Amino acid sequence: DTGVSQNPRHKITKRGQNVTFRCDPISEHNRLYWYRQTLGQGPEFLTYFQNEAQLEKSRLLSDRFSAERPKGSFSTLEIQRTEQGDSAMYLCASSLWGGAGANVLTFGAGSRLTVL
Amino acid sequence: AQTVTQSQPEMSVQEAETVTLSCTYDTSESDYYLFWYKQPPSRQMILVIRQEAYKQQNATENRFSVNFQKAAKSFSLKISDSQLGDAAMYFCAYRSARDDKIIFGKGTRLHILP
Repeated sequence: DTGVSQNPRHKITKRGQNVTFRCDPISEHNRLYWYRQTLGQGPEFLTYFQNEAQLEKSRLLSDRFSAERPKGSFSTLEIQRTEQGDSAMYLCASSLWGGAGANVLTFGAGSRLTVL
Repeated sequence: AQTVTQSQPEMSVQEAETVTLSCTYDTSESDYYLFWYKQPPSRQMILVIRQEAYKQQNATENRFSVNFQKAAKSFSLKISDSQLGDAAMYFCAYRSARDDKIIFGKGTRLHILP
Protein backbone atom coordinates (compact mmCIF):
# COMPACT_ATOMS: atom_id res chain seq x y z
CA ASP A 1 0.00 0.00 0.00
CA THR A 2 1.48 3.33 -1.08
CA GLY A 3 -0.70 5.53 1.12
CA VAL A 4 -2.75 8.47 -0.11
CA SER A 5 -1.47 9.84 -3.39
CA GLN A 6 -2.20 13.33 -4.73
CA ASN A 7 -1.47 14.80 -8.14
CA PRO A 8 -0.18 17.16 -9.23
CA ARG A 9 1.97 18.16 -6.28
CA HIS A 10 2.20 21.72 -7.46
CA LYS A 11 0.08 23.64 -9.95
CA ILE A 12 0.70 27.19 -11.10
CA THR A 13 -2.09 28.77 -13.07
CA LYS A 14 -3.35 32.13 -14.21
CA ARG A 15 -6.41 33.69 -12.70
CA GLY A 16 -9.55 32.57 -14.48
CA GLN A 17 -8.24 29.16 -15.52
CA ASN A 18 -9.70 25.86 -14.35
CA VAL A 19 -7.65 23.35 -12.39
CA THR A 20 -8.26 19.78 -11.31
CA PHE A 21 -6.60 17.82 -8.55
CA ARG A 22 -6.71 14.08 -8.15
CA CYS A 23 -6.56 11.99 -5.00
CA ASP A 24 -6.03 8.24 -4.83
CA PRO A 25 -6.89 7.03 -1.32
CA ILE A 26 -5.76 3.88 0.45
CA SER A 27 -7.55 1.15 -1.45
CA GLU A 28 -9.60 -0.31 1.39
CA HIS A 29 -10.67 3.08 2.77
CA ASN A 30 -14.30 3.97 2.17
CA ARG A 31 -14.17 7.62 3.24
CA LEU A 32 -12.33 10.37 1.46
CA TYR A 33 -11.91 13.97 2.59
CA TRP A 34 -10.72 17.23 1.07
CA TYR A 35 -9.19 19.99 3.17
CA ARG A 36 -7.65 23.34 2.28
CA GLN A 37 -4.67 24.74 4.12
CA THR A 38 -3.38 28.28 3.72
CA LEU A 39 -0.06 29.53 5.03
CA GLY A 40 0.04 29.72 8.81
CA GLN A 41 -3.34 28.09 9.24
CA GLY A 42 -4.63 24.67 10.08
CA PRO A 43 -6.47 22.63 7.48
CA GLU A 44 -10.07 23.68 6.81
CA PHE A 45 -12.68 21.09 5.95
CA LEU A 46 -14.10 21.26 2.42
CA THR A 47 -16.02 18.04 1.79
CA TYR A 48 -16.08 14.31 2.31
CA PHE A 49 -17.36 11.15 0.64
CA GLN A 50 -18.53 7.77 1.79
CA ASN A 51 -17.77 5.58 -1.20
CA GLU A 52 -19.19 7.58 -4.12
CA ALA A 53 -21.69 9.59 -2.08
CA GLN A 54 -20.76 13.15 -1.11
CA LEU A 55 -22.01 13.39 2.47
CA GLU A 56 -21.17 16.96 3.44
CA LYS A 57 -19.89 20.15 1.86
CA SER A 58 -18.51 23.13 3.71
CA ARG A 59 -19.79 26.61 3.04
CA LEU A 60 -16.18 27.30 2.02
CA LEU A 61 -16.88 25.23 -1.08
CA SER A 62 -18.30 27.86 -3.40
CA ASP A 63 -20.08 26.97 -6.64
CA ARG A 64 -16.72 27.25 -8.43
CA PHE A 65 -15.57 24.17 -6.57
CA SER A 66 -16.77 20.67 -7.38
CA ALA A 67 -15.62 17.35 -6.06
CA GLU A 68 -16.44 13.89 -7.31
CA ARG A 69 -15.66 10.34 -6.43
CA PRO A 70 -17.33 8.54 -9.33
CA LYS A 71 -16.59 4.92 -8.53
CA GLY A 72 -15.89 5.22 -4.86
CA SER A 73 -12.16 5.01 -5.44
CA PHE A 74 -10.19 8.08 -6.56
CA SER A 75 -11.56 11.59 -6.24
CA THR A 76 -11.15 14.81 -8.17
CA LEU A 77 -11.45 18.37 -6.95
CA GLU A 78 -12.03 20.93 -9.68
CA ILE A 79 -11.79 24.66 -9.26
CA GLN A 80 -13.29 26.73 -12.04
CA ARG A 81 -12.38 30.35 -12.83
CA THR A 82 -9.59 30.36 -10.27
CA GLU A 83 -8.99 33.44 -8.14
CA GLN A 84 -5.86 34.49 -6.29
CA GLY A 85 -7.61 33.68 -3.03
CA ASP A 86 -7.75 30.04 -4.09
CA SER A 87 -3.99 29.77 -3.67
CA ALA A 88 -3.49 27.16 -0.98
CA MET A 89 -2.48 23.59 -0.28
CA TYR A 90 -5.30 21.16 -1.01
CA LEU A 91 -5.07 18.11 1.20
CA CYS A 92 -6.77 14.80 0.64
CA ALA A 93 -7.23 12.20 3.36
CA SER A 94 -8.92 8.83 3.62
CA SER A 95 -10.17 6.60 6.39
CA LEU A 96 -11.89 3.31 7.02
CA TRP A 97 -15.25 4.13 8.54
CA GLY A 98 -16.54 1.41 10.80
CA GLY A 99 -13.27 -0.44 11.06
CA ALA A 100 -10.87 -0.69 13.96
CA GLY A 101 -9.07 2.44 12.81
CA ALA A 102 -12.20 4.53 12.43
CA ASN A 103 -11.82 8.26 12.97
CA VAL A 104 -8.16 8.16 11.99
CA LEU A 105 -7.40 10.03 8.79
CA THR A 106 -4.42 9.24 6.60
CA PHE A 107 -3.33 12.32 4.69
CA GLY A 108 -1.69 12.73 1.34
CA ALA A 109 1.21 15.10 0.74
CA GLY A 110 -1.10 17.72 -0.73
CA SER A 111 -1.43 19.63 -3.98
CA ARG A 112 -0.20 23.19 -3.82
CA LEU A 113 -2.08 25.68 -6.00
CA THR A 114 -0.59 29.03 -6.94
CA VAL A 115 -2.87 31.41 -8.82
CA LEU A 116 -1.07 34.29 -10.52
CA ALA B 1 -19.80 26.01 16.57
CA GLN B 2 -16.81 24.09 17.77
CA THR B 3 -13.44 25.83 17.83
CA VAL B 4 -9.90 24.73 18.57
CA THR B 5 -7.34 27.20 19.90
CA GLN B 6 -3.59 26.77 20.01
CA SER B 7 -2.15 29.79 21.78
CA GLN B 8 1.52 29.09 21.04
CA PRO B 9 2.41 29.85 17.41
CA GLU B 10 6.02 28.70 17.96
CA MET B 11 7.99 26.89 20.60
CA SER B 12 11.55 25.73 21.00
CA VAL B 13 13.00 22.97 23.13
CA GLN B 14 16.47 21.62 23.68
CA GLU B 15 17.10 18.14 22.33
CA ALA B 16 16.38 15.46 24.96
CA GLU B 17 14.25 17.86 27.00
CA THR B 18 10.49 17.79 27.54
CA VAL B 19 8.03 20.21 25.97
CA THR B 20 4.29 20.73 26.35
CA LEU B 21 2.07 22.13 23.60
CA SER B 22 -1.22 23.68 24.65
CA CYS B 23 -4.65 23.30 23.13
CA THR B 24 -8.09 24.38 24.24
CA TYR B 25 -11.36 23.73 22.51
CA ASP B 26 -14.93 24.83 22.76
CA THR B 27 -17.89 22.53 22.37
CA SER B 28 -21.28 21.94 23.90
CA GLU B 29 -21.13 18.23 23.15
CA SER B 30 -20.14 15.49 25.55
CA ASP B 31 -19.04 12.82 23.09
CA TYR B 32 -16.12 13.67 20.84
CA TYR B 33 -12.56 12.82 19.88
CA LEU B 34 -9.38 14.85 20.13
CA PHE B 35 -6.21 14.45 18.11
CA TRP B 36 -2.71 15.75 17.73
CA TYR B 37 -1.33 15.69 14.21
CA LYS B 38 2.26 16.37 13.17
CA GLN B 39 3.17 18.00 9.85
CA PRO B 40 6.93 17.94 9.14
CA PRO B 41 8.25 20.49 6.64
CA SER B 42 7.11 19.60 3.11
CA ARG B 43 5.78 16.27 4.27
CA GLN B 44 2.35 14.88 4.91
CA MET B 45 0.41 15.18 8.10
CA ILE B 46 0.50 12.15 10.38
CA LEU B 47 -1.44 11.24 13.49
CA VAL B 48 0.55 11.48 16.71
CA ILE B 49 -2.04 10.58 19.31
CA ARG B 50 -5.80 10.52 19.86
CA GLN B 51 -8.12 10.64 22.83
CA GLU B 52 -11.74 9.61 23.16
CA ALA B 53 -13.63 12.05 25.38
CA TYR B 54 -15.40 9.27 27.27
CA LYS B 55 -12.07 7.85 28.44
CA GLN B 56 -10.71 9.37 31.62
CA GLN B 57 -7.27 7.86 31.17
CA ASN B 58 -4.84 10.04 29.26
CA ALA B 59 -3.56 8.54 26.02
CA THR B 60 0.13 7.78 25.60
CA GLU B 61 2.18 6.74 22.59
CA ASN B 62 5.82 6.12 23.44
CA ARG B 63 7.37 9.56 24.08
CA PHE B 64 4.06 11.36 23.43
CA SER B 65 1.36 11.77 26.03
CA VAL B 66 -1.62 14.03 26.56
CA ASN B 67 -3.15 15.80 29.51
CA PHE B 68 -6.88 15.73 28.85
CA GLN B 69 -8.93 17.96 31.13
CA LYS B 70 -12.52 17.57 29.96
CA ALA B 71 -14.07 20.08 32.34
CA ALA B 72 -11.51 22.70 31.40
CA LYS B 73 -11.72 21.72 27.70
CA SER B 74 -7.97 21.43 27.57
CA PHE B 75 -5.89 18.91 25.64
CA SER B 76 -2.14 19.43 25.88
CA LEU B 77 0.56 17.33 24.27
CA LYS B 78 3.74 16.43 26.12
CA ILE B 79 6.78 15.31 24.18
CA SER B 80 9.46 13.68 26.30
CA ASP B 81 13.11 13.21 25.32
CA SER B 82 12.68 15.54 22.31
CA GLN B 83 14.46 14.46 19.16
CA LEU B 84 15.51 16.42 16.07
CA GLY B 85 12.89 14.51 14.08
CA ASP B 86 10.16 15.97 16.26
CA ALA B 87 10.61 19.36 14.59
CA ALA B 88 7.33 20.07 12.80
CA MET B 89 4.01 21.88 12.91
CA TYR B 90 1.70 20.30 15.45
CA PHE B 91 -2.04 20.61 15.03
CA CYS B 92 -4.62 19.95 17.69
CA ALA B 93 -7.90 18.73 16.24
CA TYR B 94 -11.47 18.01 17.36
CA ARG B 95 -14.10 15.72 15.93
CA SER B 96 -17.66 15.43 17.14
CA ALA B 97 -19.05 11.92 17.56
CA ARG B 98 -22.04 13.08 15.49
CA ASP B 99 -20.21 13.72 12.25
CA ASP B 100 -16.94 13.11 10.50
CA LYS B 101 -15.68 16.65 10.12
CA ILE B 102 -12.39 17.33 11.89
CA ILE B 103 -11.70 20.88 13.04
CA PHE B 104 -8.07 21.87 13.34
CA GLY B 105 -6.33 24.56 15.35
CA LYS B 106 -3.87 26.95 13.71
CA GLY B 107 -0.90 24.91 14.79
CA THR B 108 2.26 25.28 16.83
CA ARG B 109 5.63 25.21 15.12
CA LEU B 110 8.07 23.23 17.25
CA HIS B 111 11.81 23.80 16.90
CA ILE B 112 14.30 21.34 18.37
CA LEU B 113 17.60 22.90 19.38
CA PRO B 114 20.63 20.59 19.13
